[in-house]
Amino acid sequence: NAGVTQTPKFRILKIGQSMTLQCTQDMNHNYMYWYRQDPGMGLKLIYYSVGAGITDKGEVPNGYNVSRSTTEDFPLRLELAAPSQTSVYFCASSYSNRGGTDTQYFGPGTRLTVL
Amino acid sequence: GEDVEQSLFLSVREGDSSVINCTYTDSSSTYLYWYKQEPGAGLQLLTYIFSNMDMKQDQRLTVLLNKKDKHLSLRIADTQTGDSAIYFCAERGGYQKVTFGIGTKLQVIP
Repeated sequence: NAGVTQTPKFRILKIGQSMTLQCTQDMNHNYMYWYRQDPGMGLKLIYYSVGAGITDKGEVPNGYNVSRSTTEDFPLRLELAAPSQTSVYFCASSYSNRGGTDTQYFGPGTRLTVL
Repeated sequence: GEDVEQSLFLSVREGDSSVINCTYTDSSSTYLYWYKQEPGAGLQLLTYIFSNMDMKQDQRLTVLLNKKDKHLSLRIADTQTGDSAIYFCAERGGYQKVTFGIGTKLQVIP
């Protein structure tokens, strides 16, 4: 298993540009998540999905969009990039049910700079 | 809403024990976790404890849970330079929502 993969690893955007961060998992997990990590600020949940076709907002969804057309893929779209979106983005997945541990498996991250 | 708090920084000498503390507010927590993040990498689960347990030991790691005080700690025995990382406390509360702390940076001095 490759686990959770993210592309690209690094990206520099100009203000106002758009891009999609890709995330794929091969563990047949039902839940998927997007976080951003800013220095000294921990993880902030952007969006999450509990299954294909179902997404919901996290703490900091403004400026982002997601879709979940398959179990495996959960892309994050940035429209009109702003300097405040400079961050490291992590995708994660978990198998979540009432009796399970809900351990999240994280991708390696995408480091995004908006200039 | 739910909140998880931890101190930002801990420095220990190699060979000593490290204790990283965490407090949480959600009384309906079912699982509590410790994740480790090495530089330039994503988070990786170190260990977890079910909310009806007081203690869990896994090799050099000991997790203590005081449910009454909503306090979780991670003890690393014989701390090594390879243990230098950021350690995140997290709790799974109602509606299966997982909340992460801000992370504690552990610095191990040789």
